[in-house]
Amino acid sequence: DARVTQTPRDKVTEMGQEVTMRCQPILGHNTVFWYRQTMMQGLELLAYFRNRAPLDDSGMPKDRFSAEMPDATLATLKIQPSEPRDSAVYFCASGGVNTGELFFGEGSRLTVL
Amino acid sequence: GQNIDQPTEMTATEGAIVQINCTYQTSGFNGLFWYQQHAGEAPTFLSYNVLDGLEEKGRFSSFLSRSKGYSYLLLKELQMKDSASYLCAVRDLNSGNTPLVFGKGTRLSVIA
Repeated sequence: DARVTQTPRDKVTEMGQEVTMRCQPILGHNTVFWYRQTMMQGLELLAYFRNRAPLDDSGMPKDRFSAEMPDATLATLKIQPSEPRDSAVYFCASGGVNTGELFFGEGSRLTVL
Repeated sequence: GQNIDQPTEMTATEGAIVQINCTYQTSGFNGLFWYQQHAGEAPTFLSYNVLDGLEEKGRFSSFLSRSKGYSYLLLKELQMKDSASYLCAVRDLNSGNTPLVFGKGTRLSVIA
């Protein structure tokens, strides 16, 4: 059945390394979101796309984070260079045109040492 | 901007009823959502309210009062599997109509 797919599920890396997370949204969904979840802050919106166009990335630290959607089946979130404070679970979610319901992937747990 | 408040933790007994409250302040409003998130898993959709009143779906109900900026999620006949975090989220009309802003979640523990 249709679901959002994220890779990697778990990533441990060292400070300063580049991290790329990938997301395959549900086929036919035209909006894609990147959220970050931590115990302290909860779920925070980082960026989102509609019809592959970036609409809002104001929640994202611009100097190190970048989000792209090279095609309708792939969204990427890149951190370069990574820092320990970036340790969190990163969720990708997709939604249809006329629904507010979001479908979340299983998340990428990032640990930066 | 948006401000969403909900209790951090709640504990309830198996078979009982529990109400999880959520208050919000937004510059615009285009719907309130409740999501359930089990530990280590993704959030999953539970309910959606855009008009005032109660929406019932099986053991779960959600209520909305737009004038009060208030919602609650009611869980009846609690089961152990209902132990999870419950996230209140608002869709802000002024944010392009689709992003959801989430509260920090209420961690519910159901005990025997």
